[in-house]
Amino acid sequence: TQLLEQSPQFLSIQEGENLTVYCNSSSVFSSLQWYRQEPGEGPVLLVTVVTGGEVKKLKRLTFQFGDARKDSSLHITAAQPGDTGLYLCAGAPPPSNTGKLIFGQGTTLQVKP
Amino acid sequence: DTGVSQDPRHKITKRGQNVTFRCDPISEHNRLYWYRQTLGQGPEFLTYFQNEAQLEKSRLLSDRFSAERPKGSFSTLEIQRTEQGDSAMYLCASSPPYNEQFFGPGTRLTVL
Repeated sequence: TQLLEQSPQFLSIQEGENLTVYCNSSSVFSSLQWYRQEPGEGPVLLVTVVTGGEVKKLKRLTFQFGDARKDSSLHITAAQPGDTGLYLCAGAPPPSNTGKLIFGQGTTLQVKP
Repeated sequence: DTGVSQDPRHKITKRGQNVTFRCDPISEHNRLYWYRQTLGQGPEFLTYFQNEAQLEKSRLLSDRFSAERPKGSFSTLEIQRTEQGDSAMYLCASSPPYNEQFFGPGTRLTVL
């Protein structure tokens, strides 16, 4: 069974602070995706990382895929209240014929003004 | 709007009743997925279609659950004889033939 462990599960910070969310597994994934979900809505895709060691930036968000493709991180610089939400990592375990995603349990982020 | 749509957004039912949810994927996507998400957890995979063929079902999908995608476009998920443990958010996602999945807004089911 391929599991994705996210940490921390909850994070409450002040506006302007930086934070990092981690997504770890003992298994290799073909790719990892990060989603953001607001209450009562479906997850919204933020980024997909495919290559080991890959770094992608999306404005104040930086995503990294581990060299061994077993872990990933999301770093937010100068967090804003609009960043509040549930952040989910999801992996497509190889072989990825179906594209079925395994999700972490999520990190709930609260950014206080 | 070319996103994934789901109907209804909310459903409240009594235990023992049957419910059916609908998902309309992004039109050019041939893959369609159903997931279930309970409070405080990430989504869990239920089933997957490629065009009209149902190619994988999770063990979470008991005999009371059935999903169809008759013409390879929209899909339905039916739950028969609902139980309180079925209360959850049911999410639909679609994708082209690689791994980026795009999710609908979900159907929130409450079984009383």
